[in-house]
Amino acid sequence: AQSVTQLGSHVSVSEGALVLLRCNYSSSVPPYLFWYVQYPNQGLQLLLKYTSAATLVKGINGFEAEFKKSETSFHLTKPSAHMSDAAEYFCAVSDSGGSNYKLTFGKGTLLTVNP
Amino acid sequence: ETGVTQSPTHLIKTRGQQVTLRCSSQSGHNTVSWYQQALGQGPQFIFQYYREEENGRGNFPPRFSGLQFPNYSSELNVNALELDDSALYLCASSARDRVYEQYFGPGTRLTVT
Repeated sequence: AQSVTQLGSHVSVSEGALVLLRCNYSSSVPPYLFWYVQYPNQGLQLLLKYTSAATLVKGINGFEAEFKKSETSFHLTKPSAHMSDAAEYFCAVSDSGGSNYKLTFGKGTLLTVNP
Repeated sequence: ETGVTQSPTHLIKTRGQQVTLRCSSQSGHNTVSWYQQALGQGPQFIFQYYREEENGRGNFPPRFSGLQFPNYSSELNVNALELDDSALYLCASSARDRVYEQYFGPGTRLTVT
């Protein structure tokens, strides 16, 4: 069984400040890990993915995440927040168990960016 | 390249009714997954379709059913609607050789009254 824990349901930062959204996972097999962003009344947009290549993954809009196996973490960062980053962010895990690759999501972190 | 599309955008149904939601997969994708996102929650996996057959199912009752068509589009059917079925229903498509990399549509907001 796999699971995802996102620490902090709401994170508030100032424009230009560092963004850090935390994600810890549990998986019985080597995981694939993802971050998605959801803007109000929209679907999910893939930000970045880890699929067992480089542990530091760069995504769209200046975001990156680092896979740390020893800490079972995949935290999302961005050096300088922009107002347009305000949205809900979901961490998800998929594993190779079975023949389908369902995504298991965390409960999400709402990012607020203050001017 | 056309992304994942879903219809309708919104709909309102009464408890006990049946509903059909539709999804067109992204060009080149042959696998479709459906998720339910309740308000304030992360999406929950309902089921996945590949080659017109169900290929994995989450913890949802049989009144949730689906279809996939030869053009890889898909339908989600929910019978005997309950108030708790009110949610955003998301469809995601993927290529079979990278089925873990899923691209989502905008969703259908279902309200059951």
